Amino acid sequence: DAGVIQSPRHEVTEMGQEVTLRCKPISGHNSLFWYRQTMMRGLELLIYFNNNVPIDDSGMPEDRFSAKMPNASFSTLKIQPSEPRDSAVYFCASSPGLAASTDTQYFGPGTRLTVL
Amino acid sequence: KQEVTQIPAALSVPEGENLVLNCSFTDSAIYNLQWFRQDPGKGLTSLLLIQSSQREQTSGRLNASLDKSSGRSTLYIAASQPGDSATYLCAVPNSGGSNYKLTFGKGTLLTVNP
Repeated sequence: DAGVIQSPRHEVTEMGQEVTLRCKPISGHNSLFWYRQTMMRGLELLIYFNNNVPIDDSGMPEDRFSAKMPNASFSTLKIQPSEPRDSAVYFCASSPGLAASTDTQYFGPGTRLTVL
Repeated sequence: KQEVTQIPAALSVPEGENLVLNCSFTDSAIYNLQWFRQDPGKGLTSLLLIQSSQREQTSGRLNASLDKSSGRSTLYIAASQPGDSATYLCAVPNSGGSNYKLTFGKGTLLTVNP
């Protein structure tokens, strides 16, 4: 398997523009996670899907952020409108089952977002 | 709220040295603890996962220990190599129903000098 695939790898945009990040999880994995990593706050969970259903979106910072998972092999994270403070590395991860108590999460390479 | 702390934030050692990375957590009611490695510009790779019932886990030159009662874990790297240079993060899942949610430390940046 190719692992978790994310695109684009780098995104530079101007404040106010819409940004869409994409993720293809590992085939057969039931859980998908979106994380954001910054120097100040480290890694933070934004949203968690299980079987394509959003289970926990409490980490989504504002209404400007939205995420979808229309099928088991694709998810998007959208920011509209983007702001400079959204600049970070965004990771997608997937795991085989439901519980982190037993399942390792497999991370994609991340998308480095810069909002000017 | 679970908090995870990693000390030191950065560590530089000469090749061949044995070293220990530290991780502490505030809520001892954990299911497990994971150690990850992150290379520059890349995602995280899971190194070791220790279940709460275990005291240590080994993989090659890596050995991770867990002391739940004291809220501590260590990652021991034997005979370090330049290829071990990376950021190492530890993470624990929340207790209860939201155990899918991992709380990460901010990591230790390890540099192994040839």
